[in-house]
Amino acid sequence: QVRLQESGPGLVKPSQTLSVTCTVSGDSMRDLSYYWSWVRQRPGEGLQWIASMSNRGGTYYNPALKSRVSISVDTSENQFSLRLDSVTAADTAVFFCAALTGVRGVGQFDFWGQGSLITVSS
Amino acid sequence: SYDLTQPPSVSVSPGQTATITCSGDNLGDKIVYWYQRRPGQSPTLIIYRDSQRPSGVPERFSASNSGNTATLTISETQALDEADYHCQAWDSDIVVFGGGTKLTVL
Repeated sequence: QVRLQESGPGLVKPSQTLSVTCTVSGDSMRDLSYYWSWVRQRPGEGLQWIASMSNRGGTYYNPALKSRVSISVDTSENQFSLRLDSVTAADTAVFFCAALTGVRGVGQFDFWGQGSLITVSS
Repeated sequence: SYDLTQPPSVSVSPGQTATITCSGDNLGDKIVYWYQRRPGQSPTLIIYRDSQRPSGVPERFSASNSGNTATLTISETQALDEADYHCQAWDSDIVVFGGGTKLTVL
């Protein structure tokens, strides 16, 4: 059973970069073929997919966020991370890390972290 | 961009059947997934490939997808089914979620 746990700053100032990390446990990321993903939920809204990345570096981004997003995978640390640049209050959300099975039109998020609330405020 | 539309809220009495819809252009041509998110918890997959239930999901949960609408049906609804339900599909290489439906069991 794969377990995911986010760690984030809690509070980020406007215009700064938001960074959040997901630690994978229960198995080695190297032995898993998931696309490691980030999904957020802004207050009062639905889920929004942000980006996904495989161990081999294959990457998919939500076009709406692509210009501000960077995703990385570190299999040696069993972690993957998200950076979101130039944040505004509209980026306040619960950020989930998740393991995506499949890509290119077919696939679901099989495992999710508990979520990390990140507030953008001065 | 491709949009999935869900009703913001659905109410049901205990023991009755709840129906939650997810609508999108020619959604029946795509594969739909459903997630349940209980308050304070992370989402969990309850339906994959339109109508398949992962191991451990009660048979009370069923789903279908045809035309422009995917439907999640919860029969014999229980208090513990009170949660937000989110549909998900793909638009080419992009993951799309619906806006989520809050199910209230009155």
